Amino acid sequence: GAVVSQHPSWVICKSGTSVKIECRSLDFQATTMFWYRQFPKQSLMLMATSNEGSKATYEQGVEKDKFLINHASLTLSTLTVTSAHPEDSSFYICSARDLGVVPYEQYFGPGTRLTVT
Amino acid sequence: AQSVTQLGSHVSVSEGALVLLRCNYSSSVPPYLFWYVQYPNQGLQLLLKYTTGATLVKGINGFEAEFKKSETSFHLTKPSAHMSDAAEYFCAVTLSTGGFKTIFGAGTRLFVKA
Repeated sequence: GAVVSQHPSWVICKSGTSVKIECRSLDFQATTMFWYRQFPKQSLMLMATSNEGSKATYEQGVEKDKFLINHASLTLSTLTVTSAHPEDSSFYICSARDLGVVPYEQYFGPGTRLTVT
Repeated sequence: AQSVTQLGSHVSVSEGALVLLRCNYSSSVPPYLFWYVQYPNQGLQLLLKYTTGATLVKGINGFEAEFKKSETSFHLTKPSAHMSDAAEYFCAVTLSTGGFKTIFGAGTRLFVKA
């Protein structure tokens, strides 16, 4: 099956710094990638949708200037948390689709645990 | 607007007993339905999915689910629980409209007692 990787798997950063999380589709071209956030013992909340070569579409309530998403190629999307604060600590999960093949199939990355101190 | 409701944030069963996790959805168009399992500090693993065709779908690890359009339900079952089934389970809906975004239910934590 299709594989999606995330890097890093966990990261600790200091308050006020920025951190970048990568999401890669390893064996298929991802026309669309999604970024989710998951707080402890809660469900996944969709943050934004990114399509290769265009600006990301953010869900209501998500600060686009704080969570910068770039989808520069068909295999890579990045999420940058800028000026991180402790409340940004969370589990971030990406997923990827190839809308031109099987649009309803999405493949999830293993997640990135972000801790802001 | 689409939504997913999972009844019961926690379900506890004895090992060997039937597992039933409930999921209801609301959708204005035919949905694609999914069940995922998540173990602590891990990503999501697809258990099974309904897209079209047969309404009873079988997944991995002995799980199955039945799509009932009239009840707008997609309940997950397993005849005999195993200790290794203890995890968080998420029901999810994807619609063909709106860019194939997926909405997740709140999740159900399954506990399996020895």
